[in-house]
Amino acid sequence: DTGVSQNPRHKITKRGQNVTFRCDPISEHNRLYWYRQTLGQGPEFLTYFQNEAQLEKSRLLSDRFSAERPKGSFSTLEIQRTEQGDSAMYLCASSRGSYNSPLHFGNGTRLTVT
Amino acid sequence: AQTVTQSQPEMSVQEAETVTLSCTYDTSESDYYLFWYKQPPSRQMILVIRQEAYKQQNATENRFSVNFQKAAKSFSLKISDSQLGDAAMYFCAYRSPQGGSEKLVFGKGMKLTVNP
Repeated sequence: DTGVSQNPRHKITKRGQNVTFRCDPISEHNRLYWYRQTLGQGPEFLTYFQNEAQLEKSRLLSDRFSAERPKGSFSTLEIQRTEQGDSAMYLCASSRGSYNSPLHFGNGTRLTVT
Repeated sequence: AQTVTQSQPEMSVQEAETVTLSCTYDTSESDYYLFWYKQPPSRQMILVIRQEAYKQQNATENRFSVNFQKAAKSFSLKISDSQLGDAAMYFCAYRSPQGGSEKLVFGKGMKLTVNP
């Protein structure tokens, strides 16, 4: 168990630019989640994959956000035309396939939009 | 919609003492799971303890235990013999299989300081 890996750890970008984050889950986990965490708040659910299928998306996930998990392994989260309000910590988590299975989180990618 | 409320933004405890973190939630569902997660400074979030709603017995993991009051929709975390390494943000979270959602709903968190 090497843990959930996220890259990059930090990203500073100018408003209007596109950014892409990567998440490598624990290898035997078929479920992968993206969350967003702003200062002083708990993580907010963005989207969920079971294997390569994106099965659930939050209303928080505007049209500028897209996530993929092409082979059921790593996942990418892309934000197009970034806005200052997108500044946050983006967390990835993975788990096995039951509701009481804990989520294993990565260290997150901190995005700053200037 | 399900909501999770952690009304105390910060707490402090002396090393070796006991502290209780409170959490309430709102749901109309009968089958669900509750979790406490810990997020140390600049480190990843990890699971502390979990409770299935259908189980009457309160969950315990070493120095961590919960007081689950289903009728009151309350889920508090007790940390016994507090250690310096317990200092972190603590998040209460809720998840239900009813409705087919995989979403884990978090509270705003509570910052715990452990004083030596």
